Amino acid sequence: QVQLQESGPGLVKPSQTLSLTCTVSGDSISSGYFWSWIRQPAGKGLEFIGRIYFTGNSNSNPSLKSRVTLSIDTSKNQFSLKLSSVTAADTAVYFCARDDWYAFDYWGQGALVTVYS
Amino acid sequence: QSALTQPASVSGSPGQSITVSCTGTSNDVGGYNYVSWYQQHPGRAPKLIIYDVTKRPSGVSNRFSGSKSGDTASLTISGLQAEDGADYYCSSYTSTNTLVFGGGTRLTVL
Repeated sequence: QVQLQESGPGLVKPSQTLSLTCTVSGDSISSGYFWSWIRQPAGKGLEFIGRIYFTGNSNSNPSLKSRVTLSIDTSKNQFSLKLSSVTAADTAVYFCARDDWYAFDYWGQGALVTVYS
Repeated sequence: QSALTQPASVSGSPGQSITVSCTGTSNDVGGYNYVSWYQQHPGRAPKLIIYDVTKRPSGVSNRFSGSKSGDTASLTISGLQAEDGADYYCSSYTSTNTLVFGGGTRLTVL
């Protein structure tokens, strides 16, 4: 059974960098799927952040692209998100998901990240 | 890129059918057959219920069905059950090689 688990600091200061890691179990991160990040502010809808392939090939939401860095560690079966220059608008639950050609079939439980000063 | 347009809410009685619409443009919904639908209960991660416009993942009830006409995709739930009450989101691949979600629709089972 495929499982994903987000981890990282739950509090980040404005202008700093948000960092999250997603650990995958039950599937190899090199299995041929993309691996994605999606976020959801409290009471609001879903927003696609970006996706990465095991080769390192990635693409991101144009509205966030300048601040997003995606990476992947096949030896640890993990992929990571860095979002720079955060503001209160980046406060959200961040989900990682397995991406089968833009259909997210397995999701992590989500990690709440709050930007506070 | 703008979010796909969904009605904020829909409602129906048990046993009835409801349809949720998802309107985009020729650069997303209308241009590709990569529309997905997700069900999300409060405090939970979304669950994939439809992908590639009409396909159901293994284990998803056949009461859920998807379709598309032009720039608008639709999710139909037949034989409404109490547990279908949730938020529903559509998503689509876009011409900029990324993905856009709809704003979400809250389904209330009366």
